Amino acid sequence: GNSVTQMEGPVTLSEEAFLTINCTYTATGYPSLFWYVQYPGEGLQLLLKATKADDKGSNKGFEATYRKETTSFHLEKGSVQVSDSAVYFCAPSSNDYKLSFGAGTTVTVRA
Amino acid sequence: DTGVSQDPRHKITKRGQNVTFRCDPISEHNRLYWYRQTLGQGPEFLTYFQNEAQLEKSRLLSDRFSAERPKGSFSTLEIQRTEQGDSAMYLCASSLGGQGALTFFGQGTRLTVV
Repeated sequence: GNSVTQMEGPVTLSEEAFLTINCTYTATGYPSLFWYVQYPGEGLQLLLKATKADDKGSNKGFEATYRKETTSFHLEKGSVQVSDSAVYFCAPSSNDYKLSFGAGTTVTVRA
Repeated sequence: DTGVSQDPRHKITKRGQNVTFRCDPISEHNRLYWYRQTLGQGPEFLTYFQNEAQLEKSRLLSDRFSAERPKGSFSTLEIQRTEQGDSAMYLCASSLGGQGALTFFGQGTRLTVV
């Protein structure tokens, strides 16, 4: 089955700092790759996706590029805000349906 | 609201009791999933339906757990003879088929077994 290794948290940043959360995966075949976000007290929300090599997913200022050669899908944001404080999950999807989640990375942004 | 809906949001039960959770997926989605999330961990896959057919069950889903999707619309997840280790957030999700299909999650049902 698939597995995901995410950068361990918690990560604490100041507002406007640059954020990177590393994610590497092992998967059979050619998975689609997703980042989900869980804000405090809320459910899981899809943040962005990429479905093939070199695709870049982007949303709300976040970006991640599907790197097949390094089996990575690192999440980046150039200037974080307090409202970006959340838990972030990297998740490859095998056979086009089942998501395999990492443990999540908790990000706290201080004003 | 056309999102994934779960009921109840919270459930406290005594050990040994049976509980049942309901999930209403996004109406046009043919795929429905159940995941379980414990504190500090990512969600773990439990089972998956395509329409009314249950196509895969994780080894995490012991024989005390049963899920149904009788008409290919809403789904129920029943846990019999609950144990304290069953305490977790139970998440339902739905999607359309196809590569890169987006999976949308409900708010979850938080189960506490006392």
